Amino acid sequence: DTEVTQTPKHLVMGMTNKKSLKCEQHMGHRAMYWYKQKAKKPPELMFVYSYEKLSINESVPSRFSPECPNSSLLNLHLHALQPEDSALYLCASSQDYRADTIYFGEGSWLTVV
Amino acid sequence: TQLLEQSPQFLSIQEGENLTVYCNSSSVFSSLQWYRQEPGEGPVLLVTVVTGGEVKKLKRLTFQFGDARKDSSLHITAAQPGDTGLYLCAGASRGSNSGYALNFGKGTSLLVTP
Repeated sequence: DTEVTQTPKHLVMGMTNKKSLKCEQHMGHRAMYWYKQKAKKPPELMFVYSYEKLSINESVPSRFSPECPNSSLLNLHLHALQPEDSALYLCASSQDYRADTIYFGEGSWLTVV
Repeated sequence: TQLLEQSPQFLSIQEGENLTVYCNSSSVFSSLQWYRQEPGEGPVLLVTVVTGGEVKKLKRLTFQFGDARKDSSLHITAAQPGDTGLYLCAGASRGSNSGYALNFGKGTSLLVTP
């Protein structure tokens, strides 16, 4: 069972809406990640937080805004998205940024209409 | 970016058959992970291999890391419909920026029919 919890499981939003995806882990991990995954494709890295600081932004458009309020929480704020942003958004965590293994949450299905 | 080539991309077999999925790269990885993902769910970690030549078994699944740590294989014995899913290999390289995240293969979509 995954110990990375994501909410909501499903989200439908219009192109003018503002919404947020939330992620929580209680494993004491100090690195947290956001990935985007399209159907039948591997996950693509969006952001990495290490010790609550943004360490990698993979050239993600500014309509996606990450936030790490504390070591257990990771948010992804969404604003003015496009239909092509519809995807499964995965949160993940690892012990630290050098850890071999990353643990994924169950994902949030986002549909932009 | 260190590329991981997974093969086959798609595999459809009948219950009871054996299969092997391959993950190859020209780069050396400090470790390699295998994940299984069902539609609409996040990837679930199956195993992490870190030592060249290492073999790990998880019930009917056998994972091997190549001696040079550039390739890996996943062998499933007597496949069952519950094994259906997307199998992803991912390599980690310690000590570099790519160590911040995993390099994923494109995945192998497995369908096991009764």
